[in-house]
Parts: sequence; structure tokens; C-alpha cells
Amino acid sequence: NAGVTQTPKFRVLKTGQSMTLLCAQDMNHEYMYWYRQDPGMGLRLIHYSVGEGTTAKGEVPDGYNVSRLKKQNFLLGLESAAPSQTSVYFCASGSGRGSYEQYFGPGTRLTVT
Amino acid sequence: DAKTTQPPSMDCAEGRAANLPCNHSTISGNEYVYWYRQIHSQGPQYIIHGLKNNETNEMASLIITEDRKSSTLILPHATLRDTAVYYCIVRPPGNQGGKLIFGQGTELSVKP
Repeated sequence: NAGVTQTPKFRVLKTGQSMTLLCAQDMNHEYMYWYRQDPGMGLRLIHYSVGEGTTAKGEVPDGYNVSRLKKQNFLLGLESAAPSQTSVYFCASGSGRGSYEQYFGPGTRLTVT
Repeated sequence: DAKTTQPPSMDCAEGRAANLPCNHSTISGNEYVYWYRQIHSQGPQYIIHGLKNNETNEMASLIITEDRKSSTLILPHATLRDTAVYYCIVRPPGNQGGKLIFGQGTELSVKP
């Protein structure tokens, strides 16, 4: 039981490049989330999904797109990376049903130069 | 959503109880108190949650005052591995997408 996994663990991008971060969970959770964490700050929600085929905007969605084609996967895309998107990205999953108990992945460290 | 106030940092001696306070004076009657922690460079970890009654699990105890305006997370025998940022989060029941809103938290340093 791997829990929540994220790919890749580290990435360096040049301004304007694109990339996709992959999150996978094996707990059969309905809900999945993407957060970002900047140095010295708490996590901020980017986008989330309450089920396969659904997505919704969080607190800081601009510059990101997401897709949830399969229940176990949640993809975060950066179409044209900017230095302001340098951050650590965390994925999480939860059962939903009114619970706020979430399980987090190990994070992806992204640097945009 | 109720806001929370936590001290920015605290120290605790190894083996002693760590008592982390959280003020949520604007909490509504049906809002839950959740606690998470984040060990350096790792993803946050769920610890415990409660509504009115005190709660205990294998990680910690949660004490909520009778008026529910504040709570305390207790780590009964802190170890060096408990050094982390602890987040107190107040959330309403029902389907809100399960979204968590993280504040600045309390940075707990457990010292030998």
C-alpha cells in the first residue's frame, strides 16, 4: 500500500516551458487535491477534485490546469512556467463524505529559472 | 470560516508533554477542529480532530474547552521526531470539497 505518490520528485524548468506533475493514490479515495507551499508559508490549495472527471478551482488556480481522467490519478499541468511558480507542490487524497482527513504525498520541488 | 490563532513557535524538552494551544473564538457550533503537522520537507500528516468532546488516539490528545473557543493538542511524551510545524484548522461539516485552509501554524522544537 503505497498511499499517495508524486512524480517527479524534483524538476528544473526554464521560463515558458511546460510540464505535468502526476499524483497517484491507491486508497480508492474520491477526493484529490493539489497544494503549493512557498518558503516559510503554509500550504495553499490550487485545484481539487471530488470525483473522477470533475475538477474545481482552489485558492490560487491561475497558471495551472488539472485533469482527473482516472479515479486514482490527478494531474497538475503548467502550460507556460513562470518563476513565481517555483515552489513545493503537494498532492493529497481523502475519502470526502464530510471528512477533512487527507493523506499527503512527499512533494515535488519545482524550480523555474 | 472560523479563523485560528496559534503561537508561532514553542520549545519542549524531550520526554515531556508538549501542549500546543489554538484559539478559535469565532468557531460555529457545528465546526470541527482538525490538527495536522508537517515535519521538515515532508507532506503534512493528519493527527486528530474533534467537535466537542476530548479525543485521544495513538499520536495525541485533543482537549477542547467547554465554550469551544480554544483547544490544546497534547503530545504526551515528546520525542525529537515530533519537531515539526503544527497546524490547527477549523472546518465546517458537510461537503465543502474537504478543502483544508492552512495558516502559519506553530513550529515546535523538541530539544534533548
